Amino acid sequence: EAQVTQNPRYLITVTGKKLTVTCSQNMNHEYMSWYRQDPGLGLRQIYYSMNVEVTDKGDVPEGYKVSRKEKRNFPLILESPSPNQTSLYFCASSDRGPQETQYFGPGTRLLVL
Amino acid sequence: GQQLNQSPQSMFIQEGEDVSMNCTSSSIFNTWLWYKQDPGEGPVLLIALYKAGELTSNGRLTAQFGITRKDSFLNISASIPSDVGIYFCAGLPFGNQFYFGTGTSLTVIP
Repeated sequence: EAQVTQNPRYLITVTGKKLTVTCSQNMNHEYMSWYRQDPGLGLRQIYYSMNVEVTDKGDVPEGYKVSRKEKRNFPLILESPSPNQTSLYFCASSDRGPQETQYFGPGTRLLVL
Repeated sequence: GQQLNQSPQSMFIQEGEDVSMNCTSSSIFNTWLWYKQDPGEGPVLLIALYKAGELTSNGRLTAQFGITRKDSFLNISASIPSDVGIYFCAGLPFGNQFYFGTGTSLTVIP
C-alpha cells in the first residue's frame, strides 16, 4: 500500500531534550516536506527536499533540522525543543514537487513541557 | 512569509445548500490548490489549478484561479454530510516554498 508513515504519532517531552520524528514514504517520490499545524494558522512549511541531499528552508525553519540521505526517508530533528514547538506535525511527499498531489502522513502530535 | 487569507473562517450550512469560500494572497501565485482535512487525518488534494482564469471541477466541487493571480475560489454544490471538514487553499508563488491558507471549517447540518 502506497503511504507516508511517521513515528512517533504522539510525543511528550521536556524543553531541551533532543528528539527526532521520522518520516518514510514507499512511493519513490522525489519531493518531501514537513509542515506544522497550529490552530488558526493553517499548515506552515518547515523544510522541504526536492531530492536526495537537497533540502531548503520553508516558511518557519527556526529550531528545526532535516536531512535527506535516502530518497524514502526525511527525518525532522529538534535539537533543543521549546514549548513554542508544541504542535501537530505532518510529513508529505509528492512525485516531483508541491504543485503535484502531496500525500500526507498521519501526523505527529508533539507536546513540549 | 506569504499570507493566504481564507474566508469565511467557518460555515454552518444545511444539507443540500451550496458553499462558497475564497482565498487571497498578498502576492502573485503560480499555482493554486485546494485541500480538505478530515478530523485526525492529513490533508487530501481536491483540485489543482495552474493557469490564471482556469476553472476546474471535481464532481460537486468547482475551483477557479483568479485572473489577478492573487486569489482563488472554491464552490461546493448540493452539500452532503461527508463534506464536513476543514478546507485549505494552498499555493506556490514563484519558487518552491509552499503556503497553506488559514482554513475554512465546514459543518453540514442534516
